[in-house]
Amino acid sequence: GAVVSQHPSRVICKSGTSVKIECRSLDFQATTMFWYRQFPKQSLMLMATSNEGSKATYEQGVEKDKFLINHASLTLSTLTVTSAHPEDSSFYICSATPSGASYNEQFFGPGTRLTVL
Amino acid sequence: RKEVEQDPGPFNVPEGATVAFNCTYSNSASQSFFWYRQDCRKEPKLLMSVYSSGNEDGRFTAQLNRASQYISLLIRDSKLSDSATYLCVVRDNDYKLSFGAGTTVTVRA
Repeated sequence: GAVVSQHPSRVICKSGTSVKIECRSLDFQATTMFWYRQFPKQSLMLMATSNEGSKATYEQGVEKDKFLINHASLTLSTLTVTSAHPEDSSFYICSATPSGASYNEQFFGPGTRLTVL
Repeated sequence: RKEVEQDPGPFNVPEGATVAFNCTYSNSASQSFFWYRQDCRKEPKLLMSVYSSGNEDGRFTAQLNRASQYISLLIRDSKLSDSATYLCVVRDNDYKLSFGAGTTVTVRA
């Protein structure tokens, strides 16, 4: 079945540092990947849609200069949280849709738990 | 108003019991509907899609009421392994998924 990996699974960093999270589709190509954020006891909130070879589309209220997305290949998208602050501490999850497949098929990565001290 | 609203629960039920819960969605133009399961501190996993005529997958039955804009999930003969948070998910007429905050179910021995 379709597998999506994320790295790292957990990261703890100091306030002001930048953190890069990788999302990889391991056995399929993904033109489109999605980045979500989930705070405790809340729903997953879509942050941005990552499109291979073009700029990401950000949801309202998500700062594109703070959350940098790069989708340089059909199997890899990266999210960089720049100058992270404690309020950025959250569970970041990516998902990917196989190229050409229905958007009903989204496969989720295992998530990255970010803690900013 | 949230796009997808769910009763957060928790629903605490004994093994073997039946448990059911709903969610409501705000966009009448929504196209596709799903139930996902999320275990503590893990990613969501697709449990089942929800079709207009209602559908069953083993002990799980999902119903969709487009007129009232709600979706239900029923779990029969609950198992301890059914303990999880169940996320109601809706896709509008584009590619985005909207997630409810989840309904927590705890099945006790």
